[in-house]
Order: sequence, then structure tokens, then C-alpha cells
Amino acid sequence: NAGVMQNPRHLVRRRGQEARLRCSPMKGHSHVYWYRQLPEEGLKFMVYLQKENIIDESGMPKERFSAEFPKEGPSILRIQQVVRGDSAAYFCASSPRTSGRNEQYFGPGTRLTVT
Amino acid sequence: AQTVTQSQPEMSVQEAETVTLSCTYDTSESDYYLFWYKQPPSRQMILVIRQEAYKQQNATENRFSVNFQKAAKSFSLKISDSQLGDAAMYFCAYTGGGSNYKLTFGKGTLLTVNP
Repeated sequence: NAGVMQNPRHLVRRRGQEARLRCSPMKGHSHVYWYRQLPEEGLKFMVYLQKENIIDESGMPKERFSAEFPKEGPSILRIQQVVRGDSAAYFCASSPRTSGRNEQYFGPGTRLTVT
Repeated sequence: AQTVTQSQPEMSVQEAETVTLSCTYDTSESDYYLFWYKQPPSRQMILVIRQEAYKQQNATENRFSVNFQKAAKSFSLKISDSQLGDAAMYFCAYTGGGSNYKLTFGKGTLLTVNP
């Protein structure tokens, strides 16, 4: 059973460009979460999605950031007009239907560098 | 809001010895879950161990065990017979037991294992 897949693993963007980060959850998992890890910090929650629905985006910056999890295909985290402060590692996690176990399985992350 | 505090930025242990990593948390919920995640240099987040708040028995996974003190809101990780491969950042994390699914992480403890 393949784990959570993220691509690309590394992404370099110039200031003002757009970044698209992809996440394919584990097979059978319908819940996706995105976290951001700044240098020397723990992971910070950004957004929680189920298929075609954003459940909680309380951790998302109000501007330039958006996320989706379509019926078909991977979840996408999109950052428009990137700035240097967006440089971080972005992790996706998935979990199965709510079962009471609340375990999340993480992908390898995408390291975004804004130059 | 829930908070997770790891008061030890760095710890070191001799190979084959035992080390304990500390974690405290703050919550007003009675039902929740606690986790320890390991992040090696590859940056992959690996679930080490989990604890349900309603269980009095401390969780154990091979060489890893926790000391869960619910009244004190303390959740420490003990690693026995430390191995070189245990060297990593360790993050303590919390999530609520209901539909409150997002993980709140501490800032991490960097564990060094000396041969």
C-alpha cells in the first residue's frame, strides 16, 4: 500500500510566481491535511479537506493561498505571487474516514524555496 | 486554544542507553489523542507512538514507551536501548477526540545518539 505521495519534492520559484504543490493520499483515505514547517519550527496546520469540500481553513493565510481536493486527482495547495516568507517545507497528511483513531500519515513534504 | 510545549530543544544519549523526552500540553477537552512523531534528516514525518486520553495504560511500541500523566497534562517519550537510527527531531502532537482533527505540534526536540 503506497504511502502519501507529494510532488514535487523540491520547488524553486522566483518572487511573484505561482507554486502548485500536489498531494495524493493513501489509498482509501478521504481526509487530507496540509501543514507548513518553517525553519526551526514545528508543523503548523493550514487546511483540512475532504473530497470536494474544505472543512477547515483556519490556518491558511487570508490571501494568495488556496487549496482543493477534487473528486478525481490529487489535492492541490496553490500559492500565488510567492514571497520569500513562503519558503518552507509543506507537508500533506491523510487519514481514513473518521474512525476514532485520528491518526494522520504524512507524505515526504515539498520544500519550497523562493528566490 | 490547545498548546503543546517541548521544553528541551536538544537532548543527547549514548548508544544503548535510555533517554526521556518531555512534553506538556494545555487543553480543556476531556477526550483527545497524543502522538510522538519522528523526523529524521530525510524530513519524513514518522508516527512513533500514540496515546488515547481515555486509556490509563501507557502506550508501548517496542523500545518506545510513554509516561502519560493526564492530571499533570504531561506526555513524555522514553526510548530504551537507543540506536544510532533514533537520531532525529521528535515532535509531540495533540488532536481533539471529536471532529477536532487537526494536529497541534510542539517545536520539537533534537535527539543526538552518540556511539
